[in-house]
Amino acid sequence: GEDVEQSLFLSVREGDSSVINCTYTDSSSTYLYWYKQEPGAGLQLLTYIFSNMDMKQDQRLTVLLNKKDKHLSLRIADTQTGDSAIYFCAEILSGSSNTGKLIFGQGTTLQVKP
Amino acid sequence: SAVISQKPSRDICQRGTSLTIQCQVDSQVTMMFWYRQQPGQSLTLIATANQGSEATYESGFVIDKFPISRPNLTFSTLTVSNMSPEDSSIYLCSVASGVYEQYFGPGTRLTVT
Repeated sequence: GEDVEQSLFLSVREGDSSVINCTYTDSSSTYLYWYKQEPGAGLQLLTYIFSNMDMKQDQRLTVLLNKKDKHLSLRIADTQTGDSAIYFCAEILSGSSNTGKLIFGQGTTLQVKP
Repeated sequence: SAVISQKPSRDICQRGTSLTIQCQVDSQVTMMFWYRQQPGQSLTLIATANQGSEATYESGFVIDKFPISRPNLTFSTLTVSNMSPEDSSIYLCSVASGVYEQYFGPGTRLTVT
């Protein structure tokens, strides 16, 4: 079935690395996404990874995909107070690649302490 | 990436009334979607807005409650009809740009009293 799970809360100190984890149940996922939602704002697409990739790096962001364990992670290096937000993991299923339907996790609230 | 705007940004409405939310994109896009984010919750797809034909609704959402229009490739509206307090949510428009990139508007924060 369609299910994406994330831990609800993560607290880190400024300058540390943050790792936000996500698990999904459907092995037919084609693309997996990370979105950021700041308070009172919409969703910002941070990055995405195709299911045949293991890793994708974009500046301070590193996405790791373990397809065997159906586990996705987002690492933020040198975390800043401006990174405080809710981070959503999402997947698009192979059957939905033409429809664009995204399945979202519950979101992880990242708190960055100065 | 596409630039998406929504109107209104927020509203407080009385029970039993209806509200129409507008979504405008700065470029022509094939796919437009409407999502709901209930307080403290994740996002759920309401429907896909199809240009020139009826919207495609997800399970649990019906046209009578959430009528959608898509008159062209840059604009769509979502109406929340006969509102109740349970409809208090953030309603977000999104568009698919490129093959697998999906971008979201800023959202409309609806409170029903």
